[in-house]
Amino acid sequence: GEDVEQSLFLSVREGDSSVINCTYTDSSSTYLYWYKQEPGAGLQLLTYIFSNMDMKQDQRLTVLLNKKDKHLSLRIADTQTGDSAIYFCAESSISSNTGKLIFGQGTTLQVKP
Amino acid sequence: NAGVTQTPKFRVLKTGQSMTLLCAQDMNHEYMYWYRQDPGMGLRLIHYSVGEGTTAKGEVPDGYNVSRLKKQNFLLGLESAAPSQTSVYFCASSSTFGGSAGDEQFFGPGTRLTVL
Repeated sequence: GEDVEQSLFLSVREGDSSVINCTYTDSSSTYLYWYKQEPGAGLQLLTYIFSNMDMKQDQRLTVLLNKKDKHLSLRIADTQTGDSAIYFCAESSISSNTGKLIFGQGTTLQVKP
Repeated sequence: NAGVTQTPKFRVLKTGQSMTLLCAQDMNHEYMYWYRQDPGMGLRLIHYSVGEGTTAKGEVPDGYNVSRLKKQNFLLGLESAAPSQTSVYFCASSSTFGGSAGDEQFFGPGTRLTVL
């Protein structure tokens, strides 16, 4: 079945770049998402990429998609303490027609001053 | 525009008690979802609805029931709570598939439920 995998924890120093990785199994994925969850809050959409794209850049965020390896990454440049949160990768499939998303386990990003 | 709201924010139950979690959205979205979040397991879909009057099972539906009598509301019921249902519950909604961000889901703030 469909599956999305992420590493659970990443620690970086303030000002460094962070790279959060995700792998997925559904080759029919149409959109891939990155959601951010701050402590005690719900998830908010950070960015997304359509499956026919290889890269998307949005200010400090860069999303890279390798369709051959089914690998998605999120790079945060100049990481700040306010970026400390849990980051979820998610995929959707046009075949589902229900809007369902499959989420990874979430990567906790810790930013040290 | 409140987005997605959830009631209550916190609740403590004893084993065997019942309760209903309420989710409301004011974005006229067709699709609504209930997830549970447990440490190291990400979000798991409990039940979802693709429109008023419809519901369907997700990944972990056992022990839960849902109803979507009105388009803007999606209720999650626990008939006989068990300690394994201690979790954080999130409601989400999305518009019909094909929007500018595909299936972007909008999340509520969560309900923290403890079952003793």
